[in-house]
Amino acid sequence: EAGVAQSPRYKIIEKRQSVAFWCNPISGHATLYWYQQILGQGPKLLIQFQNNGVVDDSQLPKDRFSAERLKGVDSTLKIQPAKLEDSAVYLCASSFHFRGVYEQYFGPGTRLTVT
Amino acid sequence: DAKTTQPNSMESNEEEPVHLPCNHSTISGTDYIHWYRQLPSQGPEYVIHGLTSNVNNRMASLAIAEDRKSSTLILHRATLRDAAVYYCILSREGGGKLIFGQGTELSVKP
Repeated sequence: EAGVAQSPRYKIIEKRQSVAFWCNPISGHATLYWYQQILGQGPKLLIQFQNNGVVDDSQLPKDRFSAERLKGVDSTLKIQPAKLEDSAVYLCASSFHFRGVYEQYFGPGTRLTVT
Repeated sequence: DAKTTQPNSMESNEEEPVHLPCNHSTISGTDYIHWYRQLPSQGPEYVIHGLTSNVNNRMASLAIAEDRKSSTLILHRATLRDAAVYYCILSREGGGKLIFGQGTELSVKP
């Protein structure tokens, strides 16, 4: 079974530039998540989709971050404009419902460096 | 959301059992207990989850205290590949939202 795919794996941009990340979840997983992981910290949930609808975006800085999942499959996360503090690994995960919980599968992440 | 408390780091020897503790004194009756781990330079991976009873799978065992205020992840024979950050997380009614803390960094010595 193919895992969660993310691209690019690495990105370096200057502050105030824009950047976009792409995620393709595991086939059949209706729920998709974007996390931000700053060095030395645990991942922080930015947004959760159920099919193409947003379930939770309470931690998404909506003045500069946006995300979409138009056809309920792959998803993009955009930052515009980027700030230095956005330097982090951006993780995408997808999940299915199993034994009462959503078991999440994570992609390898995109490491963003903002200079 | 209920919080969990874990030691920052632990050490173990290869091929010995490892017991990773987690305190969650404010857990509610419908909170599930999840464990994920994150190997260096990789995304987290699911290890195990439980509600009230102890659970076993091919990766580990989860022992849940009778009052559910604490749990322990048990790796039966640690290998070098088990060196990772282990996260203990609660989810309300098994919902998808996971709030990661700092986790426990496990190092395994040959």
